[in-house]
Amino acid sequence: EDQVTQSPEALRLQEGESSSLNCSYTVSGLRGLFWYRQDPGKGPEFLFTLYSAGEEKEKERLKATLTKKESFLHITAPKPEDSATYLCAVVRYGGATNKLIFGTGTLLAVQP
Amino acid sequence: ETGVTQTPRHLVMGMTNKKSLKCEQHLGHNAMYWYKQSAKKPLELMFVYSLEERVENNSVPSRFSPECPNSSHLFLHLHTLQPEDSALYLCASSQDDATNEKLFFGSGTQLSVL
Repeated sequence: EDQVTQSPEALRLQEGESSSLNCSYTVSGLRGLFWYRQDPGKGPEFLFTLYSAGEEKEKERLKATLTKKESFLHITAPKPEDSATYLCAVVRYGGATNKLIFGTGTLLAVQP
Repeated sequence: ETGVTQTPRHLVMGMTNKKSLKCEQHLGHNAMYWYKQSAKKPLELMFVYSLEERVENNSVPSRFSPECPNSSHLFLHLHTLQPEDSALYLCASSQDDATNEKLFFGSGTQLSVL
C-alpha cells in the first residue's frame, strides 16, 4: 500500500538554527514527490516537485532533496516567517488522475 | 480576486441541516478537487472533476454530493452529516488532471457538525 510518513511531527527551532524535515515514502513507481507549505487558516501552498533520485531544488532558505526512499526539506538559517506546517505528498505511475498521497505534515515553529 | 476562493470560511450545522460549500477558481484551470483535512490525518482526496466531468469519487459517503456546473465553479452539497464529518474542507484546482500537476488550494471551509 502506498504510504507517506513525515518526521518529526513537530519541530521547534531558534531563529538561525538550521535543520531538516524528513518524508519517507513507499509507493509502487514514484511519478513525483511534492512539498507544500500550509499556514494556519489557509490551504497548502506549493513549494517543490521532485521527480527522480538525486534531484535537488531550492527556494530561498529551503532546499528539497530526493532519494529512492525519502525526501528531505532542509531549512537553512530559518526565520520566524518560516513557521508553518510542511506537507509532503507523492503520486505514482499508473494513476488515472492526479491522486496525491499526503503525509500528516511537520509543524515547524521558529522562535526569534 | 485571484487564485481559489472558498465560501463560507466557517460553517456550523446540525446533523439534519442541508448546506453547500462553494469554490471558485480564477486561474483558468480545467481540473478541480475536493479534499478533507482532519486533525492528525493526511489530506484525503474526495472528488476530482476534469472539464466539469467527475473522474474520481474516492469512496465518499453519499451525504456528500459534488457539483461542477462549469470549469470555474465547484460545489459540495452536504446533508444529514455526522459529527465525525467535522473537518477543514479544501478545494483545489490544477491546469489539468494529469498525475504530476501541482495543485492550487483555497483557504478552506472549517465545518463543525453538532
